[in-house]
Amino acid sequence: ETGVTQSPTHLIKTRGQQVTLRCSSQSGHNTVSWYQQALGQGPQFIFQYYREEENGRGNFPPRFSGLQFPNYSSELNVNALELDDSALYLCASSLAGGPNEKLFFGSGTQLSVL
Amino acid sequence: GESVGLHLPTLSVQEGDNSIINCAYSNSASDYFIWYKQESGKGPQFIIDIRSNMDKRQGQRVTVLLNKTVKHLSLQIAATQPGDSAVYFCAESGAPGSARQLTFGSGTQLTVLP
Repeated sequence: ETGVTQSPTHLIKTRGQQVTLRCSSQSGHNTVSWYQQALGQGPQFIFQYYREEENGRGNFPPRFSGLQFPNYSSELNVNALELDDSALYLCASSLAGGPNEKLFFGSGTQLSVL
Repeated sequence: GESVGLHLPTLSVQEGDNSIINCAYSNSASDYFIWYKQESGKGPQFIIDIRSNMDKRQGQRVTVLLNKTVKHLSLQIAATQPGDSAVYFCAESGAPGSARQLTFGSGTQLTVLP
């Protein structure tokens, strides 16, 4: 177990709706990254949060947004859901600036958009 | 754009044999490489990492080799076991300092035959 927890584990939404996914980082970690993993593909970087601010963003539209809280937990929000948003959303935590910059992943939230 | 790719999408090996999973990368600025294992329904699990100033690194039953000349990365698993059956991803990062933003390959499905 990595100590990274995500909720919910599964979610079904319809096109046009909004969704919020949550992540609790591993104890001692100060950085949270979000990745989208489509079926049969590798994870794709969405964005990263450090000190409650976005610290890097992948090729995702603005309707993908996030937050990081003082306790380092994080939310991923997706507005105006599209069918192609159906994927496994992974959260990973790490310690920025430390000697070990490994990312530890949670088990993900499986989002289905109908 | 720069990307990380894998040579083979699937690999089948007999239990007890050694496995070799290959990965090509194209970003010459990458300085950190990681192998992850992902089992069905779970998030990627860290296996081993290597920095660009090294050619080889060994872990428990696993070895990662890095050939910067040809931009090639490989994961060797000794005495492959049924529990090793999973999808294996290589990932690279060229972002020093703050926590890592990873670019993943598309994965190799390893199947261990009895």
